[in-house]
Amino acid sequence: GESVGLHLPTLSVQEGDNSIINCAYSNSASDYFIWYKQESGKGPQFIIDIRSNMDKRQGQRVTVLLNKTVKHLSLQIAATQPGDSAVYFCAENRPAENQGGKLIFGQGTELSVKP
Amino acid sequence: DTGVSQDPRHKITKRGQNVTFRCDPISEHNRLYWYRQTLGQGPEFLTYFQNEAQLEKSRLLSDRFSAERPKGSFSTLEIQRTEQGDSAMYLCASSFGLADTQYFGPGTRLTVL
Repeated sequence: GESVGLHLPTLSVQEGDNSIINCAYSNSASDYFIWYKQESGKGPQFIIDIRSNMDKRQGQRVTVLLNKTVKHLSLQIAATQPGDSAVYFCAENRPAENQGGKLIFGQGTELSVKP
Repeated sequence: DTGVSQDPRHKITKRGQNVTFRCDPISEHNRLYWYRQTLGQGPEFLTYFQNEAQLEKSRLLSDRFSAERPKGSFSTLEIQRTEQGDSAMYLCASSFGLADTQYFGPGTRLTVL
């Protein structure tokens, strides 16, 4: 099927701790993955992306890991801050299948950071 | 601000009325996408344009929905004879190319009474 899903709907962490948000995808042909952050009442905000020829990519305080063997994607946020509180979506892009580059989103994980 | 913009941000309408939303993409972005998002769910793809050509439409896009991008810049999404089930956040995104990052606008929140 065509689905990108998340393991946990909610995640609560203490400020300063590291956060790990997980995502499973079902289509082994997927070649591009993106993490978005969405705050209440706003549109999704790009965080970081990774292509299928990589297994790790780092940004500022964020790291995305891709395990193609088990079709698993994770987002790690270092030193989580209250401003990181939001819903996080992973999205799948399969341009190789000539689907026009549309994104397929999972349900989202709500991250709550306790001060 | 050079990001994606959408107008209006909020729209309340009565069932049966027509509504039109506008999206202005990031300049020079060739691709423009429309998504719909309901509460607690991820965005769902509706349609996309490459320049002025509408190249794909989701089956979610019934015949009451129409989208245009007449000059390859801004786009409009019209919903005719709105139904309560159309209540959702309508998101627009743009990208430079096929496999490039899609940047989203703030969305238009539609409430159909």
